[in-house]
Amino acid sequence: AQSVTQPDIHITVSEGASLELRCNYSYGATPYLFWYVQSPGQGLQLLLKYFSGDTLVQGIKGFEAEFKRSQSSFNLRKPSVHWSDAAEYFCAVGALANRDDKIIFGKGTRLHILP
Amino acid sequence: AAGVIQSPRHLIKEKRETATLKCYPIPRHDTVYWYQQGPGQDPQFLISFYEKMQSDKGSIPDRFSAQQFSDYHSELNMSSLELGDSALYFCASSSSGTRTYEQYFGPGTRLTVT
Repeated sequence: AQSVTQPDIHITVSEGASLELRCNYSYGATPYLFWYVQSPGQGLQLLLKYFSGDTLVQGIKGFEAEFKRSQSSFNLRKPSVHWSDAAEYFCAVGALANRDDKIIFGKGTRLHILP
Repeated sequence: AAGVIQSPRHLIKEKRETATLKCYPIPRHDTVYWYQQGPGQDPQFLISFYEKMQSDKGSIPDRFSAQQFSDYHSELNMSSLELGDSALYFCASSSSGTRTYEQYFGPGTRLTVT
């Protein structure tokens, strides 16, 4: 079955520290992978996406993610977090090769930033 | 660039009332998707439409119905509202004329049922 696993429900890091949010997926077809960020009560903002090509993807706000097919992972990283990065982060997967291909979201990781 | 428009952005209804959410896709996008995100939950796919026909269906209650119109906008109709219907409802759109059906999300409509 298609699924996305974000093993960490909550993560707390100090401002200025590095960050890595984990994401593993299970998908029968070649997946397209996404990371979205959501502030409380707000909509989904796309941070970055992987469709093909270079497995290290650069996104907005200084985020990057690396697709590792052998590990079925698409971890999100940032070298130095800012207090404004505190939010909920969703990893998502979808084949998007057909119009019936829906996007499947992970349960999310809530990021807390210590001053 | 034009984005997906959803209206209203916020809606408060009482139990057993009816609500209608509207979605206006990006120009030239012909496919619309609806997702529901409950409090503290991840977004879940509800239903999708292509060229005014239902394309796929997820975990959408029978009390909900949706349609896509000739101008490609879509409406999600929710009847006999329950407290558990309180959620953020996202609409996304995609174009069949591109290499992938990449979905672009709207800002969401927050529905509160009291």
